[in-house]
Amino acid sequence: EILLPQSPGTLSLSPGERATLSCRATQSVSSSYLAWYQHKPGQAPRLLIYGASSRATGIPDRFSGSGSGTDFTLTISRLEPEDFAVYYCQQYDSSPLFGGGTKVEIK
Amino acid sequence: EVQLVESGGGLVQPGGSLRLSCAASGFTFSGYWMHWVRQSPGKGLVWVSRINNDGGSTYYADSVKGRFTISRDNAKDTLYLQMNSLRAEDTAVYYCARDRRYCSGPNCYYYFDYWGQGTLVTVSS
Repeated sequence: EILLPQSPGTLSLSPGERATLSCRATQSVSSSYLAWYQHKPGQAPRLLIYGASSRATGIPDRFSGSGSGTDFTLTISRLEPEDFAVYYCQQYDSSPLFGGGTKVEIK
Repeated sequence: EVQLVESGGGLVQPGGSLRLSCAASGFTFSGYWMHWVRQSPGKGLVWVSRINNDGGSTYYADSVKGRFTISRDNAKDTLYLQMNSLRAEDTAVYYCARDRRYCSGPNCYYYFDYWGQGTLVTVSS
């Protein structure tokens, strides 16, 4: 059974700073099946990245994804006020699975 | 514009039943697989169930297998989740999501590209 632990659990940063979020699978995951989502309270989750590194339509280029195998990273180059949210990685091989999430909060 | 709007949530007693709906618009509903995902209070996203585009194939998380049934009515552009034998641990916001899968050259990509805003289900006596 694959698990997708994310770290850190909470990231406290200021607007303008760089955020680096980690998703480390317990078994190798195809990059094609790795996605990242942003979720704010009371809103629909929003697709950010698919295929580990491809930005979804309309996603600003300050969001980037990288990684392969078991280690994947979501980077937000300069945090904007609207970026404070919870971020989830997802692997979608035979059965979809989400990581536990990283909360990016205002410091 | 793609829209997914869930409804049908509410307060139900343990052991009770509820049927959720997800009304789709802005795309050809019958052309897409669909999913239900839930988020319990203070917890993360958890996948619940999926259905293929014609409703002939369904799949469930172990936690809901035998109790929940996913279905769809392509004539009404609507996805459903029938929830029976509800337990306190089923309390959550339930989201529907559209499955996106496509292949480009040797690579095939699978992910959820649109989500609804969710409907709250509370199981409590």
